[in-house]
Amino acid sequence: DSGVTQTPKHLITATGQRVTLRCSPRSGDLSVYWYQQSLDQGLQFLIQYYNGEERAKGNILERFSAQQFPDLHSELNLSSLELGDSALYFCASSVTSGGGNEQFFGPGTRLTVL
Amino acid sequence: AQSVTQPDIHITVSEGASLELRCNYSYGATPYLFWYVQSPGQGLQLLLKYFSGDTLVQGIKGFEAEFKRSQSSFNLRKPSVHWSDAAEYFCAVGAGGTSYGKLTFGQGTILTVHP
Repeated sequence: DSGVTQTPKHLITATGQRVTLRCSPRSGDLSVYWYQQSLDQGLQFLIQYYNGEERAKGNILERFSAQQFPDLHSELNLSSLELGDSALYFCASSVTSGGGNEQFFGPGTRLTVL
Repeated sequence: AQSVTQPDIHITVSEGASLELRCNYSYGATPYLFWYVQSPGQGLQLLLKYFSGDTLVQGIKGFEAEFKRSQSSFNLRKPSVHWSDAAEYFCAVGAGGTSYGKLTFGQGTILTVHP
């Protein structure tokens, strides 16, 4: 158990819908990262927040947005869902913000878009 | 931009045999390098990491990796594989200095262990 929690574990929805994925980082970690894992794209970095501020953006679609709240939990919002958004979404956390930080991964949320 | 290549998509070994998983990276500065393992239906667990110093790093579960700057490689090794090592292994490079951090992952290597 990494100490990072993600809810829900599974999510099944229809095209065009909007969903919210939630992540609670390990106690004491200030940085939260979101990654998408799919068969065709592999593991892709989406976005990073550090203590409530956006720090880095990766291959995140405009239909996707995220935020980190004062209690440090984070939410990833996916809207106008398409079939290709079906994937495993991981949240990770680390103590600080730099590239050398060990990132601890949650168990993931499996999103299925029908 | 940084990139990671894992040349072997799938490797099969017999239990008790030695293992080497290959990883090549591309990064302009001294890289932060990681190996993660993912068991079916699970999240990613860190096996080991290299930041600086000794180029041979030890990790959990008996794994080790060697950083070779001249070859831009960070190969993962284990002298004797156990059936429980069957999983998918990801090499990653961390970038961003101190202000931000993102991991760029390779495509992964699936390890099958025969009894």
